[in-house]
Amino acid sequence: GDSVTQMEGPVTLSEEACLTINCTYTATGYPSLFWYVQYPGEGLQLLLKATKADDKGSNKGFEATYRKETTSFHLEKGSVQVSDSAVYFCALSDGFQKLVFGTGTRLLVSP
Amino acid sequence: DAGVIQSPRHEVTEMGQEVTLRCKPISGHNSLFWYRQTMMRGLELLIYFNNNVPIDDSGMPEDRFSAKMPNASFSTLKIQPSEPRDSAVYFCASSYRDGHTDTQYFGPGTRLTVL
Repeated sequence: GDSVTQMEGPVTLSEEACLTINCTYTATGYPSLFWYVQYPGEGLQLLLKATKADDKGSNKGFEATYRKETTSFHLEKGSVQVSDSAVYFCALSDGFQKLVFGTGTRLLVSP
Repeated sequence: DAGVIQSPRHEVTEMGQEVTLRCKPISGHNSLFWYRQTMMRGLELLIYFNNNVPIDDSGMPEDRFSAKMPNASFSTLKIQPSEPRDSAVYFCASSYRDGHTDTQYFGPGTRLTVL
């Protein structure tokens, strides 16, 4: 079945460092891809999404590009802030509404 | 605009008791999802509804779990009897299904502890 694999965390960075969180997927069709963020004590919030190959999703300085050839959707940010500390989930949707989530990657940003 | 509303936010109960979790989706949304999040298993989809009709309940762990959606603005997830292994954070999410990629909007979750 469909699956999403994320890099293990936690990822620990200093403020203003560059961030990359790797995400790869396995799917039989042409899924849509998502990054969700979960701040402590809260539910998941959509961060960005891409619906077809070569699409780039972006929001709040975060970006991810849908790479069909490498089945990847890596999350990047050029300069992280302390407020970006959270758990980030990569997910795919096969078009039938069900989201398949990765295990999540915790990001810790120190001042 | 109110987001997805869940209640209670925290629930502590004893093994064997009945637990009812509640969810109010975003007004106008026609799909509703129940998820469970644990450290061991991550995020799992339990069940989802389209237009108040259950579509896929293959993620419901066992017969002790049941979910209903009597109308477009309310859903419940019931566990009877509850067991310690049911301790988790339960999320409700809603979306608008229009034939394109649907974005799911999550509630704040209910943290359930079964003693």
